[in-house]
Amino acid sequence: AQSVTQLDSQVPVFEEAPVELRCNYSSSVSVYLFWYVQYPNQGLQLLLKYLSGSTLVKGINGFEAEFNKSQTSFHLRKPSVHISDTAEYFCAVIPYNQGGKLIFGQGTELSVKP
Amino acid sequence: NAGVTQTPKFQVLKTGQSMTLQCAQDMNHEYMSWYRQDPGMGLRLIHYSVGAGITDQGEVPNGYNVSRSTTEDFPLRLLSAAPSQTSVYFCASSYSRGPPYEQYFGPGTRLTVT
Repeated sequence: AQSVTQLDSQVPVFEEAPVELRCNYSSSVSVYLFWYVQYPNQGLQLLLKYLSGSTLVKGINGFEAEFNKSQTSFHLRKPSVHISDTAEYFCAVIPYNQGGKLIFGQGTELSVKP
Repeated sequence: NAGVTQTPKFQVLKTGQSMTLQCAQDMNHEYMSWYRQDPGMGLRLIHYSVGAGITDQGEVPNGYNVSRSTTEDFPLRLLSAAPSQTSVYFCASSYSRGPPYEQYFGPGTRLTVT
């Protein structure tokens, strides 16, 4: 079985500060990794994904994430956040043998303050 | 190209009532799925389908039925609504024949069962 743990349920940060949202996963098989963002009262939008290759992946809106296989982590980072980044962020995995079945973490609420 | 559409946006039901949440996509995606989102629990998979005529259960299928008679539509039926089914429901779709398995989400249906 697979599971995803997002280590912080809420992250408050000031505008223009850097931020890291932490994600760890557990799986007996290799996985594809994703970060999604949900703005208030909206559906989910893909931020970035790791399928293979370079472990540092860049996504939309200046976000990036690094896959660390030995630590089974996929932390999301942004060097300078904006008020508009206030949203809920979800880490998710798809096991190699279960095409399409996303397994989500609990979500991290990022609150950017002026 | 409308993407993934869901109706209704909001619904209030009384305990014991039944209803169908509609989901449609116009991207010719083979894979479609239903998730429910509850505070602090992320999104959990209810049912999914890898193509017309093929459905399977996800993590939390009890109390829900699905069918897939066409590629475009994937309705979710609540047989006898219970307060525990109060949640936000998301439909998603993706290509399933190989990675990147990027899932496109609808805007959600907010359901309250009293």
